[in-house]
Parts: sequence; structure tokens; C-alpha cells
Amino acid sequence: EAQVTQNPRYLITVTGKKLTVTCSQNMNHEYMSWYRQDPGLGLRQIYYSMNVEVTDKGDVPEGYKVSRKEKRNFPLILESPSPNQTSLYFCASSFSRTGVDEQYFGPGTRLTVT
Amino acid sequence: ELKVEQNPLFLSMQEGKNYTIYCNYSTTSDRLYWYRQDPGKSLESLFVLLSNGAVKQEGRLMASLDTKARLSTLHITAAVHDLSATYFCAVVPLSNDYKLSFGAGTTVTVRA
Repeated sequence: EAQVTQNPRYLITVTGKKLTVTCSQNMNHEYMSWYRQDPGLGLRQIYYSMNVEVTDKGDVPEGYKVSRKEKRNFPLILESPSPNQTSLYFCASSFSRTGVDEQYFGPGTRLTVT
Repeated sequence: ELKVEQNPLFLSMQEGKNYTIYCNYSTTSDRLYWYRQDPGKSLESLFVLLSNGAVKQEGRLMASLDTKARLSTLHITAAVHDLSATYFCAVVPLSNDYKLSFGAGTTVTVRA
């Protein structure tokens, strides 16, 4: 089944404790992206990747890191999480290698930082 | 910075009636997407609009794009309960093909 998977689905952590949210897609998509969803703000793009080893900042990259060492995986790293990073996070992928295309979204990861 | 505004943000619909959701954006673009999100779920793609004048229809939903007015509309015909969800538009600016900016979403509730 074609899908985007994220792990973990739920995470409660404390301020400053490094964490990684994994994202994997099995559709051989070139483009992958991370978003955070907050009430009243819609989704905001954190980082995106056009291809292996090629990443760039979205609108809200502060406090996050990403890497794209393999085509299928695009982990999101929070080196020192803070309470303002409490949010619902979505990973998404799309086929096109020439820009954003129709996106397939993962199930989401709900992160709480205390 | 690209701004995407949806209105209304909340829409209470009566079954059987017609409604429109508006999506305005602040910069040049010729690519716009509509997504649906059910409560507690992920997003699923509804429509891909790739040029001025594009119109797509699926069941009771119809989306259109006017790039000159920087406006997309999502029209709902004869609302039914299973259309209750949050609808998002998302825009790709011409200045950067790889960025995507979402509106705040329109939460739709359909009542009998």
C-alpha cells in the first residue's frame, strides 16, 4: 500500500531533550516536506527536500533540523525542544522533481513539550 | 511573504443548500491545491488547480482558480452531512516552486 508513515504518533517530552520524528514514504517520491499545524494557523512549512541531500527552509525552520540521506526517509530533529514547539506535525511527499505537487500526507505526530 | 486567507473560517451549513469558501492569496501563483481534513485525521487531496481558469469538480464540490484576481473558490452544492470537515487551500508562489503556504482552514459543519 502506498503510504507515508511517521513515528512516533504521540510523544510527550521535556524541554531540552533531543528528539527525532521519523518519516518514510514507499512511493519513490522526490519531494518531501514537514509541516506543523496549530489551531487558527493552518499548516506551516518547516523544511522541504527536493531530492537526496538537498533540503531548504520553509517558513518556520527555527529550532528544527532535517536530513535526507535516503530518498524514502526524511527525519525531523528537534535538538533542544521548547514548549512553543508543542504542535501536530505532518510529513508529506509528492512525486514531482520540479516543485511542489499534490502531496500525500502522513498520519501526523502529536508532540507535547513540557 | 506569501499570505493565504480563507473565509469564512467557520461555516455552518444546512443540508441541501449551496455554499462557497473563498481563498485569497497575496502573490503571483498558478498552482493551488485544496485539501480536506476530518477531525483527528490527516489531510487528503481534493483538487489540483494548475492554471488560470482551471475548474475541477468531484461530486458536490467544485473548485476554480482565477490567477488574475488571486482567488480560488470551493463551491459546495446541496450540502450533506458527510461534507463536515476542515478544508484548506494551499498555494505555491511563482517565486519558489518548492514552497507551499496554507490558509488557516475553513471548518464546515453540516446540520440537518
